[in-house]
Amino acid sequence: AQSVAQPEDQVNVAEGNPLTVKCTYSVSGNPYLFWYVQYPNRGLQFLLKYITGDNLVKGSYGFEAEFNKSQTSFHLKKPSALVSDSALYFCAVRDPLSSSASKIIFGSGTRLSIRP
Amino acid sequence: DGGITQSPKYLFRKEGQNVTLSCEQNLNHDAMYWYRQDPGQGLRLIYYSQIVNDFQKGDIAEGYSVSREKKESFPLTVTSAQKNPTAFYLCASSIGGQGKTTEAFFGQGTRLTVV
Repeated sequence: AQSVAQPEDQVNVAEGNPLTVKCTYSVSGNPYLFWYVQYPNRGLQFLLKYITGDNLVKGSYGFEAEFNKSQTSFHLKKPSALVSDSALYFCAVRDPLSSSASKIIFGSGTRLSIRP
Repeated sequence: DGGITQSPKYLFRKEGQNVTLSCEQNLNHDAMYWYRQDPGQGLRLIYYSQIVNDFQKGDIAEGYSVSREKKESFPLTVTSAQKNPTAFYLCASSIGGQGKTTEAFFGQGTRLTVV
């Protein structure tokens, strides 16, 4: 069965500094991996995805993520944080070749707080 | 506009009553999902459907029921058997299926409160 872990409940970063939000996953085959952002009382907004190919994927709002198969990780990164990046971030995984290929499992979320 | 519509945005229910949350999509997606969000627990999968007339239990299906009679609709019923139904409920859809690569698109959520 697939699973996702986000080991940090909260990440605090000063504006202008680089940020990293961690994610590790477990699937039986090659994963499809996703990052989403959620603002208060709203649905989730898609940021980026890894399907295949280049291990570094770029997404919306200057975010990028690095897929590391040996470490089963997919950490979200941004070179220079903005106060407006403060939100709740979720990592998610699909196992695309399984009999439940449409099933998407989310992590517990990481609250990102950027201080001015 | 294309997208996913959840209604109502806020819902209040008395203990012991069943209540149905609506989710409609006009994205022509095969797969649809229901998640529950509680503070500090992330998103937990209740049910998902890969295709019309088919649905599968997620991790926390007890006390919930769904139907998928039409491609565009995936209503969720919270029954009186659900012990702690107060939560934020999110519906999503994706192209789905084996080998399909798309992400899920989310509605704006329904906040259910038991009074």
